[in-house]
Amino acid sequence: EVQLLESGGGLVQPGGSLRLSCAASGFTFSSYAMSWVRQAPGKGLEWVSAISHSSGSGGSTYYAGSVKGRFTISRDNSKNTLYLQMNSLRPEDTAVYYCAKDRGTTMGDAFDIWGQGTMVTVSS
Amino acid sequence: DIQMTQSPYTLSASIGDRVTITCRASQSISSWLAWYQQKPGKAPKLLIYKASSLESGVPSRFSGSGSGTEFTLTISSLQPDDFASYYCQQYDSYWTFGQGTKVEIK
Repeated sequence: EVQLLESGGGLVQPGGSLRLSCAASGFTFSSYAMSWVRQAPGKGLEWVSAISHSSGSGGSTYYAGSVKGRFTISRDNSKNTLYLQMNSLRPEDTAVYYCAKDRGTTMGDAFDIWGQGTMVTVSS
Repeated sequence: DIQMTQSPYTLSASIGDRVTITCRASQSISSWLAWYQQKPGKAPKLLIYKASSLESGVPSRFSGSGSGTEFTLTISSLQPDDFASYYCQQYDSYWTFGQGTKVEIK
């Protein structure tokens, strides 16, 4: 079964850091670009960041303006895991964070598989 | 940045109704548009990709059309399982979602 499982969410103070993980199974993780999408309580979906299929310095990364310079996306294809390092967190970063898989193997596609989400709350 | 505008924001409909949701892009995105369904507390589910292609396993009562800047999602005969929120998404340049349309029971 194709599956994505996020972890690492929780309560953090403003200015703090958190690292989210997304464990993939049931498909060839290294062949697909991946993204993080968030949803603030009662609000719509917001794309956060994306990474091409390659690991390490060979991968291309992309960020929404609202998180650029604060968040870092990465992946470890040997562990089938996607990460999101979140620094300098703000109350407006409070949201459910989903990881999502590109539908095709060429980057820049719709998202066909989503995780169940992990909640991040930024509050003092 | 490409902006996506959905209408209506909320839609009240009855079982069996034909429902149409519209999505407009701030610039041409060719056919690089997807539609998702989301139920409360759940992850979004891909319904339509490339504007009109039905994702595997999605009922045929869902259909998408349009190209350039104007797109529609149509549910031909609304079923009880279809009461949910629906989002369009462009993937021509990065990724942007519309603000969502909530389909409620009339």
